[in-house]
Amino acid sequence: QVQLVQSGAEVKKPGSSVKVSCKASRDTFNNYAFVWVRQAPGHGLEWVGGVIPIYRSAKYAQEFRGRVSITTDESAWTTYIEVRSLTYEDTAIYYCAREGAGILDQWGQGTLVTVSS
Amino acid sequence: DIVMTQSPDSLAVSLGERATINCKSSQSVFYGSNNKNSLAWFQHKPGQPPRLLIYWASARGSGVPDRFSGSGSGTDFTLTISSLQAEDVAVYYCQQYYTTPYTFGQGTKLEIK
Repeated sequence: QVQLVQSGAEVKKPGSSVKVSCKASRDTFNNYAFVWVRQAPGHGLEWVGGVIPIYRSAKYAQEFRGRVSITTDESAWTTYIEVRSLTYEDTAIYYCAREGAGILDQWGQGTLVTVSS
Repeated sequence: DIVMTQSPDSLAVSLGERATINCKSSQSVFYGSNNKNSLAWFQHKPGQPPRLLIYWASARGSGVPDRFSGSGSGTDFTLTISSLQAEDVAVYYCQQYYTTPYTFGQGTKLEIK
């Protein structure tokens, strides 16, 4: 059973940063890419970006470039998303998902990030 | 970016009846090198992560009941639930993975009539 386990909920102040983790198994980490998708309250699903661990190359949706970083730690089979300069509009559930040939077939449980003063 | 547009935004169907959701992409998502359409459908229930239902426009995901089917090609796609069950109440999304950013439709909320 494939499992992607994400870190717990976060509450952050506007202007600060947050880093969310997503831990996979060794086989999944070494053979798949990972994407991050978010869902803000009352909104739909939004693709933020993705990374291929063996290449350590990340891609981002245009609106997130320069403010979001997606990284990996091979020793921990973990991928991370860091969002900087948080605004209230960044309040959302952040999901990681396993990607093979573009297909997102396994998802983490989601991490709620709340931006509040 | 490829824009995905679903219709309708919401849908109410009686138990046991057919539900149909449409999805249109702003450009073709047909991938000529493998003769497949890079189009997926997800089911999303509150408090749960999205669940992959359909990929390559018509292939069912692991463990997905056969009442769920996908069809279409190029820019027009359909998700059909042949006989609606109570547990199918959810928001459904189409998504293209032809090119990044992998864009989603706005979602269709399916309820019981």
